[in-house]
Amino acid sequence: DAEITQSPRHKITETGRQVTLACHQTWNHNNMFWYRQDLGHGLRLIHYSYGVQDTNKGEVSDGYSVSRSNTEDLPLTLESAASSQTSVYFCATQGQGGNEQFFGPGTRLTVL
Amino acid sequence: QQQVKQSPQSLIVQKGGISIINCAYENTAFDYFPWYQQFPGKGPALLIAIRPDVSEKKEGRFTISFNKSAKQFSLHIMDSQPGDSATYFCAAGARGYGTSGTYKYIFGTGTRLKVLA
Repeated sequence: DAEITQSPRHKITETGRQVTLACHQTWNHNNMFWYRQDLGHGLRLIHYSYGVQDTNKGEVSDGYSVSRSNTEDLPLTLESAASSQTSVYFCATQGQGGNEQFFGPGTRLTVL
Repeated sequence: QQQVKQSPQSLIVQKGGISIINCAYENTAFDYFPWYQQFPGKGPALLIAIRPDVSEKKEGRFTISFNKSAKQFSLHIMDSQPGDSATYFCAAGARGYGTSGTYKYIFGTGTRLKVLA
C-alpha cells in the first residue's frame, strides 16, 4: 500500500541548531506540502512543492527551507531552530489534479 | 480574505447526541470544502467534502451543510459515538493557486470533539 512516512517521529533539539525533518512518500504524487500544527492555529502551510526542483513558500515559511530532488522526498530544514518552532509537523501529498491531501503521521519537535 | 474561521474550539457531546461544528470563509474563489478528522497521534484524514453547487452532502452519520450566500458551512455528526472523539478541521480550497490546477487549502483552527459514553 502507498504511504507517507515521516522521521523522526519525535525530536528534541537546542536553540540555534539546524534540524532536518524527513518526509518520504510512495504515492508517486507530484504535490507535497509541509504544515505545522499548533493549538489555536490549526494547520498552517510552511512550504510546498508541485514537482521535482519546484518549491514555494507558504504562509509561515520564515526560518524553514525545503528542497525537492526527487518525487518521493521533501525534507524540511530548520536553519537555526527557535523555541517558537516547537510544534507538530505534518507532511502531506496530493495527486495531480486531485482534491484530497494525504497526511503523514507527524513529527513532534521540541526546541529547548 | 484568506482565513477560515472555525468554531467552537472544543465540544463535549453525550453519546447519541448531535455534534455541530461551524466554519466561515471570506474568499469567494474557494470552491472545495473538505473536513478532515484527526485522532490523537495521527495525521488528519479526509472525512467528507462538498462543492458550493450543493447545499448538503451526507455520508453515513456525517453531513455537511453549505450556505453559499453566507459563506458558511458546517459539519453535523448525528448519533455521535465515543469513537468520533477526535479533532476536526474544516478547510477551503481553490484550484489555480499553483500549477496544473492543483488545490491548495486554508485550514480552520480545529475543533476538539469529545463524545461521552
